[in-house]
Amino acid sequence: TQLLEQSPQFLSIQEGENLTVYCNSSSVFSSLQWYRQEPGEGPVLLVTVVTGGEVKKLKRLTFQFGDARKDSSLHITAAQPGDTGLYLCAGMDSSYKLIFGSGTRLLVRP
Amino acid sequence: GAGVSQTPSNKVTEKGKYVELRCDPISGHTALYWYRQSLGQGPEFLIYFQGTGAADDSGLPNDRFFAVRPEGSVSTLKIQRTERGDSAVYLCASSSGTSRYNEQFFGPGTRLTVL
Repeated sequence: TQLLEQSPQFLSIQEGENLTVYCNSSSVFSSLQWYRQEPGEGPVLLVTVVTGGEVKKLKRLTFQFGDARKDSSLHITAAQPGDTGLYLCAGMDSSYKLIFGSGTRLLVRP
Repeated sequence: GAGVSQTPSNKVTEKGKYVELRCDPISGHTALYWYRQSLGQGPEFLIYFQGTGAADDSGLPNDRFFAVRPEGSVSTLKIQRTERGDSAVYLCASSSGTSRYNEQFFGPGTRLTVL
């Protein structure tokens, strides 16, 4: 069974601070996706990384896929209250279904 | 451009009852996925359809769960003899194809509560 471990589970920081969320697995995935989910809504895709070692930037968010395609990280620079939410990583397996991590709940205090 | 819609948004039922949850995917999307999300957890895969056929149903927890997509568009997830442990948010997603590049678009979910 493929599992994705996400850490930390909860993060409370002050506006302007930086943070990193980690997503680790012992399995190789064909791609890895990061989602953000608001209460009462479904997850919304932020980014897809496909190639080992790939780095993608989305404004203040930087996503990295590990060289072996087993792990990933999300780094947020100068966090803002609008970044508050549940961040989910998800690996795509060989049959195109997503295996989700348990999520990181981020709270950015003004 | 409507997104993925799910009905009902909330469903409260009693233990042992039968429920149906409906998903309307984005028009033209050939792949449709069902996930279940328990409180404080990430979504857990249940089943996915490519067209009308179930391409992978390995996530269905037992034979009380069944899903159909008869015309390759709308899908219904059916749960028989519901149990309290079935309480969760059931999410549906659709995508235009199946590749590692395809984005899955999620609906808002149906919150199922079994009393």
